[in-house]
Amino acid sequence: GENVEQHPSTLSVQEGDSAVIKCTYSDSASNYFPWYKQELGKRPQLIIDIRSNVGEKKDQRIAVTLNKTAKHFSLHITETQPEDSAVYFCAATPPSYGGATNKLIFGTGTLLAVQP
Amino acid sequence: KAGVTQTPRYLIKTRGQQVTLSCSPISGHRSVSWYQQTPGQGLQFLFEYFSETQRNKGNFPGRFSGRQFSNSRSEMNVSTLELGDSALYLCASSLTTSGRAFSYEQYFGPGTRLTVT
Repeated sequence: GENVEQHPSTLSVQEGDSAVIKCTYSDSASNYFPWYKQELGKRPQLIIDIRSNVGEKKDQRIAVTLNKTAKHFSLHITETQPEDSAVYFCAATPPSYGGATNKLIFGTGTLLAVQP
Repeated sequence: KAGVTQTPRYLIKTRGQQVTLSCSPISGHRSVSWYQQTPGQGLQFLFEYFSETQRNKGNFPGRFSGRQFSNSRSEMNVSTLELGDSALYLCASSLTTSGRAFSYEQYFGPGTRLTVT
């Protein structure tokens, strides 16, 4: 079945620097790749997503890139701020040959710490 | 619109008991998925319901079951609780239709923190 690997597990950056989190998926037929931010004690929050027919998507300071050939996708956060500190999860939707699915396979998470 | 709600928020149960958790999706959302979150295993997919039918199931034992009602509200049940079932149980709702080839955005509820003693 689908497997998603996420690196690094922890990331510490200075405020204003950029942060990059990388994920690799195993099933080349996966077609949807969301990113979630989870603050301590809170629910995972969808921050950006990308579909397999798009190579890059940007929303203000956040961008996601997808390399289907290498089966990699990455989250880029520019001009980091202390409030960006949280655990970030990548996920992939495995193919469902019987129709649509919302099943998500999650990476193991990256704890991002932005130092003021 | 109100977000995804889950009840109860916290639950303490004893080994061998059973538990039922409830999830109310965002109004108009027809798909509800359930996930288990633990420090050791991370976020793992339990099952997904759409139009009262289970559409997908993860790799959990049969003690874990669920259902969806005609108003899209969903419940999950865990029977014969084990210590290892202690976790945060999250549900997520999605605006989805049948037969589409891609997935829709999913929005999570606050979770139910289950502690098994």
